[in-house]
Amino acid sequence: DTGVSQNPRHKITKRGQNVTFRCDPISEHNRLYWYRQTLGQGPEFLTYFQNEAQLEKSRLLSDRFSAERPKGSFSTLEIQRTEQGDSAMYLCASSLVLAGVLETQYFGPGTRLLVL
Amino acid sequence: AQKITQTQPGMFVQEKEAVTLDCTYDTSDPSYGLFWYKQPSSGEMIFLIYQGSYDQQNATEGRYSLNFQKARKSANLVISASQLGDSAMYFCAMRFNFGNEKLTFGTGTRLTIIP
Repeated sequence: DTGVSQNPRHKITKRGQNVTFRCDPISEHNRLYWYRQTLGQGPEFLTYFQNEAQLEKSRLLSDRFSAERPKGSFSTLEIQRTEQGDSAMYLCASSLVLAGVLETQYFGPGTRLLVL
Repeated sequence: AQKITQTQPGMFVQEKEAVTLDCTYDTSDPSYGLFWYKQPSSGEMIFLIYQGSYDQQNATEGRYSLNFQKARKSANLVISASQLGDSAMYFCAMRFNFGNEKLTFGTGTRLTIIP
């Protein structure tokens, strides 16, 4: 399977705990995006990487959130001191962006987080 | 700022009939892309179809076509000969063709195909 993969698929945690999610993009894709989707809403942009550089963070991404893409391949999204409001689906997408070429973003299956 | 509006929270359609899902958008930028994604209950966002703002013809992909009316700022998805497996949430999304190219999504339409 050469699509975007995310792990874990589901995570239940207690308020105040830290959680980390992983995303493995399509191998040749240089862009990687994180989105968050709450119940009844469309996904909302959180942050994105061009290779290993994190180029933009949404205001939705509080100081408790941190994302990395250390070697320009897989990415991790960590949430520290989780709150019940962090309960959502976290979606990762990747795409290939070259000069003059913009390809479609392809999404992974998501990580569904529930904070108790 | 970009904004996507999907005014149909839910739709019920008889199997084998065609269905149109509405999407309107708001932007002052001339260069953008419009997308439709399908999200089954499993959660994965599945890309269906893309329309560029400068494309002269409406996009088609198998049973999916996009009715693009630029002056009206609408990009409706048409599914022909609907199937039971088409039951899912459908999201319209927009992307500026510069900068971060992030997607801005609408709130979605839940489509249910009735046998």
